[in-house]
Amino acid sequence: GENVEQHPSTLSVQEGDSAVIKCTYSDSASNYFPWYKQELGKRPQLIIDIRSNVGEKKDQRIAVTLNKTAKHFSLHITETQPEDSAVYFCAAIRSGTSYGKLTFGQGTILTVHP
Amino acid sequence: NAGVTQTPKFQVLKTGQSMTLQCAQDMNHNSMYWYRQDPGMGLRLIYYSASEGTTDKGEVPNGYNVSRLNKREFSLRLESAAPSQTSVYFCASSQPRDRGQVEAFFGQGTRLTVV
Repeated sequence: GENVEQHPSTLSVQEGDSAVIKCTYSDSASNYFPWYKQELGKRPQLIIDIRSNVGEKKDQRIAVTLNKTAKHFSLHITETQPEDSAVYFCAAIRSGTSYGKLTFGQGTILTVHP
Repeated sequence: NAGVTQTPKFQVLKTGQSMTLQCAQDMNHNSMYWYRQDPGMGLRLIYYSASEGTTDKGEVPNGYNVSRLNKREFSLRLESAAPSQTSVYFCASSQPRDRGQVEAFFGQGTRLTVV
């Protein structure tokens, strides 16, 4: 089955700095890679995603990149703000089949210091 | 439209007791999941159901059973609770959308403590 590794496990930055979280996946058939944000005491929610036929996607201050050959993808947050503090999860899935299971990484605790 | 609703929100069990976590979604999704969340371990898949009447083991199924009662409901049962099952449990559902996107919607979580 799919295995997703996520690094770092914790990340501490100053407000205004950039933050980068990296994930690798094992199943070359995985074709969809979402990122979820979980605020303290809340449920995870989708913030951005990327499909395997796209190398990069941006949405305001967040961007995701995908390297299919190396089987890794990354989340980039620019101009970080205290409200970006949360746990971030990457995930991978073989979308479009009945066998697709959403597999998550171990999570990254991001702390943005004012 | 409530999304994904899971009950209870909190539960304390004694070792050896049994209980069922309930989950229901009103978005007409085919796929439903049960995850457990432990510090440093991320969201680990316990069981998965691709459609009504089908279930499949995830990464950590031991000690759990599931029932996909109908398209809306997917329950998780602990037959004999153990302290190692102390965790936060999340139910989720998903449906493929255009262009291969799959957004999962999560319930509010159940914080389970086994003493």
